[in-house]
Amino acid sequence: NAGVTQTPKFRVLKTGQSMTLLCAQDMNHEYMYWYRQDPGMGLRLIHYSVGEGTTAKGEVPDGYNVSRLKKQNFLLGLESAAPSQTSVYFCASSYRGGGYNEQFFGPGTRLTVL
Amino acid sequence: RKEVEQDPGPFNVPEGATVAFNCTYSNSASQSFFWYRQDCRKEPKLLMSVYSSGNEDGRFTAQLNRASQYISLLIRDSKLSDSATYLCVVTLSGGYQKVTFGTGTKLQVIP
Repeated sequence: NAGVTQTPKFRVLKTGQSMTLLCAQDMNHEYMYWYRQDPGMGLRLIHYSVGEGTTAKGEVPDGYNVSRLKKQNFLLGLESAAPSQTSVYFCASSYRGGGYNEQFFGPGTRLTVL
Repeated sequence: RKEVEQDPGPFNVPEGATVAFNCTYSNSASQSFFWYRQDCRKEPKLLMSVYSSGNEDGRFTAQLNRASQYISLLIRDSKLSDSATYLCVVTLSGGYQKVTFGTGTKLQVIP
C-alpha cells in the first residue's frame, strides 16, 4: 500500500497563478483533510471531507477550494495564488473522524508563491 | 490564550537521558489527546494516543491531567533516533471532532 500520496512535491508559482494539489489514499478512508504548516503556527486545517462528494471549511479556508469526486482523491485548488499562501501543504486521511482515529499524512507539498 | 500550547524548545539532551514535554490545552471539553512525531521536512506520524489512566509504549509514557489541562510525554533512555519535533494534538467532541495541533517541541539528542 502506498498510503497517502501527494503531487507535486514542490512548486513555485507567481502571484495570481492557479494550481491544483492532488492527494490520493489507498486505505479506503472516509475522512480526508488538507492542512498547511507554517513556522511557529503549527498545522492548520484548510478544508476537510467526511466522504465522497462532501467537503467542508476548516480553520483557514479563504483562497482555497477543494473537491472530492472520488473517495480516494482529495484535490486542493488555489485560484489566484498569493505570497501569503507560501507554505508546506499536507494532506491526511483517517478511517473515521480525526478525533478518534489516527490521521495518516502524505509527504507534503512545498509551495512558494513569488 | 492558544488552544494548545507547547514549549518550542529545543530540548538538547545527551543519549540515555530522560526528557519530558508538557502540552497545555485551553478547552476543558477536549476529549481525545495524541502525540505525533515529525522528523525534519517530513510528515507527522502518530506516536501514541494518550489515555486518561496514562499509558506506556516501550520507552515512551504519556499522561493526561484533566484538572490542570495538560498532557505530558516522557521519553526514557533517549536515542539519537528520537531527535524530532513532537506535536501535541487535542480533539474536541462534536460532529466533526475539531482537531488542534500544537506547534511542537523540538528534541535534539546529542551523542
